[in-house]
Amino acid sequence: GQSLEQPSEVTAVEGAIVQINCTYQTSGFYGLSWYQQHDGGAPTFLSYNALDGLEETGRFSSFLSRSDSYGYLLLQELQMKDSASYFCAVRSGNTGGFKTIFGAGTRLFVKA
Amino acid sequence: SAVISQKPSRDICQRGTSLTIQCQVDSQVTMMFWYRQQPGQSLTLIATANQGSEATYESGFVIDKFPISRPNLTFSTLTVSNMSPEDSSIYLCSVERQGVRAYGYTFGSGTRLTVV
Repeated sequence: GQSLEQPSEVTAVEGAIVQINCTYQTSGFYGLSWYQQHDGGAPTFLSYNALDGLEETGRFSSFLSRSDSYGYLLLQELQMKDSASYFCAVRSGNTGGFKTIFGAGTRLFVKA
Repeated sequence: SAVISQKPSRDICQRGTSLTIQCQVDSQVTMMFWYRQQPGQSLTLIATANQGSEATYESGFVIDKFPISRPNLTFSTLTVSNMSPEDSSIYLCSVERQGVRAYGYTFGSGTRLTVV
């Protein structure tokens, strides 16, 4: 079957760096994506990794290691507004079709 | 990215009744996806809606309970039928992000449903 694991909660201080890990089990892996969701809001897309390595977008970076079935989201220069839930999601499938499965989410608390 | 208008944003419904949720996209898309998210939990795919064909439902979800319409390439509805308190959840529609290298979804603002 398919599964994803990520920590349920992470707490960090404003201005710090935080890393949210995600490990997955799936067949037909295509890529790992990350979403941010504020309370009462819809998930918003942050990043997608199909190949090994680091992808940087401003203060956010995402890493993938396909051989380790592992990825992480790195948030730098944390701001209070970064307090939200972060979901990793795996896209998998084959020529017959693709599917995206979401992790349970990591709630990030940023403290002053 | 596409912009999705979803309504209603929230509703409180009596058990045994049905609610239809609408999603309008500002561009034509092949597939639309319907998700359910229970408070504080992850997103679970209900079904994929293609224009001109029957929706494809995920395990645990059936057409009689969650009928979907997809009359054109910019619009879809999801009906939650014969509701019970267990159907209380957030329902989200989404589309694949267009014209970008990275694969992902754009989501509507969600419908927060409470069944009493």
